[in-house]
Amino acid sequence: GQNIDQPTEMTATEGAIVQINCTYQTSGFNGLFWYQQHAGEAPTFLSYNVLDGLEEKGRFSSFLSRSKGYSYLLLKELQMKDSASYLCAVRPYNDYKLSFGAGTTVTVRA
Amino acid sequence: KAGVTQTPRYLIKTRGQQVTLSCSPISGHRSVSWYQQTPGQGLQFLFEYFSETQRNKGNFPGRFSGRQFSNSRSEMNVSTLELGDSALYLCASQALDRDRIYNEQFFGPGTRLTVL
Repeated sequence: GQNIDQPTEMTATEGAIVQINCTYQTSGFNGLFWYQQHAGEAPTFLSYNVLDGLEEKGRFSSFLSRSKGYSYLLLKELQMKDSASYLCAVRPYNDYKLSFGAGTTVTVRA
Repeated sequence: KAGVTQTPRYLIKTRGQQVTLSCSPISGHRSVSWYQQTPGQGLQFLFEYFSETQRNKGNFPGRFSGRQFSNSRSEMNVSTLELGDSALYLCASQALDRDRIYNEQFFGPGTRLTVL
């Protein structure tokens, strides 16, 4: 089975940086995804990590440590539109389903 | 390309009834997954279909079933509805392109089911 933990809520100020941590315990591992979900909308893909290290995509970066079962999503230069839920999801080895964490609600204040 | 579409967007049913939800994947995507999203449990995997075959199933009772058609469109059915089935049901399609390092899932807007 999968056990994926992430904080429930985080609040930050416009222009600041926020780091959302995700820890996982899985029976196999074949990649970790981050999704963004605005209230009332569908989740949208942000990033994918399968090897250790940092993947950077503009204002968003994602880090993975497989030995520690740990990932984080870093949001830089926060904007009001970044207020959303951020979902960490793990894909087990040789499996096509995703196991999601409960999501972290990020609120950006002016 | 058009995105993943789901119909209907909203449904209100009463306990004991059954419901069928529909999902049309992105053109060319042959894998379709279904998820249930509730405030308390988050996104929970229901099942995944590929080429009309169910390949994966989550931990849901047999009242939850699905199928996929030859055009990759998928339906899920919930029989004997319970109050706890009230949720957002999301469908996601995936390309499964072996030449890519990863294949992300693209989600539809969901069907909001309310059971009274």
